[in-house]
Amino acid sequence: DGGITQSPKYLFRKEGQNVTLSCEQNLNHDAMYWYRQDPGQGLRLIYYSQIVNDFQKGDIAEGYSVSREKKESFPLTVTSAQKNPTAFYLCASTQGANYGYTFGSGTRLTVV
Amino acid sequence: GENVEQHPSTLSVQEGDSAVIKCTYSDSASNYFPWYKQELGKGPQLIIDIRSNVGEKKDQRIAVTLNKTAKHFSLHITETQPEDSAVYFCAASIRVGRGYSTLTFGKGTMLLVSP
Repeated sequence: DGGITQSPKYLFRKEGQNVTLSCEQNLNHDAMYWYRQDPGQGLRLIYYSQIVNDFQKGDIAEGYSVSREKKESFPLTVTSAQKNPTAFYLCASTQGANYGYTFGSGTRLTVV
Repeated sequence: GENVEQHPSTLSVQEGDSAVIKCTYSDSASNYFPWYKQELGKGPQLIIDIRSNVGEKKDQRIAVTLNKTAKHFSLHITETQPEDSAVYFCAASIRVGRGYSTLTFGKGTMLLVSP
């Protein structure tokens, strides 16, 4: 079955560490997105990519980085510059404008 | 940029009642409005969407209405069931070039349906 796979489901980060969240899709979608979800804040856009080797900052890109070397993969790195990284991270993809997103099941990141 | 306001933040209904969630958006260029249902610990699932060239769309117990003049759209759930309990998000799209768009989401409505 086609879909989006995020891993790991739970991730713990120590202060000062960089961590990378994985997102893989087999839907043949060109566009992929990363959102951050905090209680009561809805979903906020971190980065998005419309094509391989190209990506753009969203509303809250500071402290995050991404790469898009393959169509299927869009990993997100949470760097030590992100001061409040504890959140639920969601990856999504779509086949084009004005089509719904398909979301992964999320990664819950906690700073310890 | 686009701003989406969603109300109410929480909604409690009895099983069998109707539930209505309302959203407003700010950018008149938005032309696609999806609704998502999110269960605890899971990713959001698309439940219905509407494009700006129609005013209403229905799918079984779920319907969405759109008023482009007033820049608001609403989700209507009839004959609610306990399994409808979840967080619901509205969203509005903005085209960002190359034929793609980004979605701006409301802050969500927690719907609780009591048996």
